[in-house]
Amino acid sequence: GAGVSQSPSNKVTEKGKDVELRCDPISGHTALYWYRQSLGQGLEFLIYFQGNSAPDKSGLPSDRFSAERTGGSVSTLTIQRTQQEDSAVYLCASSWAVVEYEQYFGPGTRLTVT
Amino acid sequence: GENVEQHPSTLSVQEGDSAVIKCTYSDSASNYFPWYKQELGKRPQLIIDIRSNVGEKKDQRIAVTLNKTAKHFSLHITETQPEDSAVYFCAPPSPNAGKSTFGDGTTLTVKP
Repeated sequence: GAGVSQSPSNKVTEKGKDVELRCDPISGHTALYWYRQSLGQGLEFLIYFQGNSAPDKSGLPSDRFSAERTGGSVSTLTIQRTQQEDSAVYLCASSWAVVEYEQYFGPGTRLTVT
Repeated sequence: GENVEQHPSTLSVQEGDSAVIKCTYSDSASNYFPWYKQELGKRPQLIIDIRSNVGEKKDQRIAVTLNKTAKHFSLHITETQPEDSAVYFCAPPSPNAGKSTFGDGTTLTVKP
C-alpha cells in the first residue's frame, strides 16, 4: 500500500517568506509526528498529533512554527518569516498509535532558506 | 535527544566483524524499544524492535537485547557487510508519551 508522502520534496525560499509543508500519513494511522533533521545531524522532535489534537507543542523551535492536522489525516507544518537556520530536512512519520508502534517515515522535504 | 544516550557516535569495522551500539534511557512510559536505520539520503526505517516482556530478539544478522533494570538496550549486527553502513538511531520510550525521542545516532562504516 501507499506509504507516507510529503510535499514538496524540495523547497527553496527567501528569508522572511512563509512556507507550508505537507504530510500525507498512511491511511488509518492515528499518530503523526514531525521532525527536523539538519545535515549530518539527528532527528529533532517538533510535534506529534493524536488524531487531530497536538497535546504538546513545546518541541516547536519558536512561535514562527505551527502545525495542524485535519480529518485525522493530512498535516501541514507552517513556518512563518523563515530564517536561514530553518534550512533542514523536515520529516513526517505516522504510526497506528502514539506509543508502542513502529513509525513510518516519509521521504522528507528539504527546505533551503536563502 | 533528551533523556537518551547512544554510544558510540561513530563506529568503523571490517567487513565480517560484529558491531554493537548501546542506547541508555532515563525513564519509560511504554514497553517498546525500536532501532531505526537511515542510509545516506534516505528516510529512517525500522530494522528491529523489542517489547519489554522479552530480553532478546534476533532477525538473521541483527539482534536487540534489553536490560530494563539497567535501562539500556543494544543493537548487535554480526557478519557486517558494506550495505550495513548507515546511521542507526535508537528510540526508547519517552517519559512523555508521544513526545518521541531518538538517540543522536551512530554512524556505522563497514570497510570491505
